[in-house]
Amino acid sequence: SYDLTQPLSVSVALGQAARITCGGNDIKHKSVHWYQQKPGQAPVLVIYMDTNRPSGIPERFSGSNSGNTATLTISGAQAGDEADYYCQVWDSSTDVVFGGGTKLTVL
Amino acid sequence: QVHLQESGPGLVKPSETLSLTCAVSGYSSSSNYYWGWIRKPPGKGLEWIGSIFQGGRKYYNPSLRSRITISLDASQNSLSLRLNSVTAADTAVYYCARQVGSCRGSNCYLYYFDYWGQGTLGTVSS
Repeated sequence: SYDLTQPLSVSVALGQAARITCGGNDIKHKSVHWYQQKPGQAPVLVIYMDTNRPSGIPERFSGSNSGNTATLTISGAQAGDEADYYCQVWDSSTDVVFGGGTKLTVL
Repeated sequence: QVHLQESGPGLVKPSETLSLTCAVSGYSSSSNYYWGWIRKPPGKGLEWIGSIFQGGRKYYNPSLRSRITISLDASQNSLSLRLNSVTAADTAVYYCARQVGSCRGSNCYLYYFDYWGQGTLGTVSS
């Protein structure tokens, strides 16, 4: 099976950059997607195929993927960015895999 | 605009079957996309249940494969999920979503979920 490892929580000061990591064996060879989920709401796709931003997602959301770690970066974090964030990949042995999720707190 | 709406009984007894339906509007469910089910148990993260493509290609979470059936109804523009022999561990919010994927010959790749329903709570309790 293929496992994705995310930190349980990340804190960031208002207006600073938040970085949420997603670790996986040779993840650089996989396409990584990121979702934002606020309490009581459905997940929202914020980054797809490592670095692409869907229409309507602010430019402060960006993604990167190299080595064994993919990273979601939120530049200039805002209070409204507080949410759970999940990474997701497709793997030939287990098909769709989600990371455990990271709770982002904006201080 | 693609819209997905889940529906189901809400409460199911242990050992029984949880049956959910997802109505798709604004797009044909028999188009060149996959359609998937994902769940979120209380206090836990997202868990992929399975995905289906028109023509019958199905992909199931190995840990749930023996208990789930996912199907597409093109005439109703909907997809459905049946989860057998449920226990309290199956209590979760269940989401349906459209999934982007591609096939190259016989090899298919499932990518990201771009549209999601609002979710429906499925509770297993006697």
